[in-house]
Amino acid sequence: DVKVTQSSRYLVKRTGEKVFLECVQDMDHENMFWYRQDPGLGLRLIYFSYDVKMKEKGDIPEGYSVSREKKERFSLILESASTNQTSMYLCASSLSWGSYNEQFFGPGTRLTVL
Amino acid sequence: GQQVMQIPQYQHVQEGEDFTTYCNSSTTLSNIQWYKQRPGGHPVFLIQLVKSGEVKKQKRLTFQFGEAKKNSSLHITATQTTDVGTYFCAGRPSGGSNYKLTFGKGTLLTVNP
Repeated sequence: DVKVTQSSRYLVKRTGEKVFLECVQDMDHENMFWYRQDPGLGLRLIYFSYDVKMKEKGDIPEGYSVSREKKERFSLILESASTNQTSMYLCASSLSWGSYNEQFFGPGTRLTVL
Repeated sequence: GQQVMQIPQYQHVQEGEDFTTYCNSSTTLSNIQWYKQRPGGHPVFLIQLVKSGEVKKQKRLTFQFGEAKKNSSLHITATQTTDVGTYFCAGRPSGGSNYKLTFGKGTLLTVNP
């Protein structure tokens, strides 16, 4: 079974802090994704990566950056957290090139920025 | 940007009633996937449709992809309390990024036992 794990289920940070969200997958997937999920807005793609050190912006990249130094790990970075970044963050991975592969999601990190 | 519209946003049914959620895109989709998210859980892949007019079934669930590949539906026959959750469609617009799926906002299904 594919397993996608995220470093924290719940996280509370203060405005202006630098925040790291970590995601690890154990099935040698090439593609990894970061989404945020907000009530009434569904899942919105922040960034994705299709290979080590490769990344592309999603629909809402502002205020975020990412890092993928190893194939199994994809990090989301909030450079200076703001209250409007309070949300559920979901990481996902998929097998290989293209969108025809199902995405496997992690359990999510609920981030609260005070 | 590209949007995938999903309706209804909410649906409450009595156990045993049928349920349908619809997904619509203004542009042609290369493929569409459906996911289910249980309350407190994360999205889990259900199925993928790729061909025009494709129909797939999983027990009480029937998935359809429109002939023009611009719409899709998920129909649940005789709902059960285990069907509770949010159902998302996700599609890749033809000619769009090879990696990126656009998710609908989801339909939250609640079932009264």
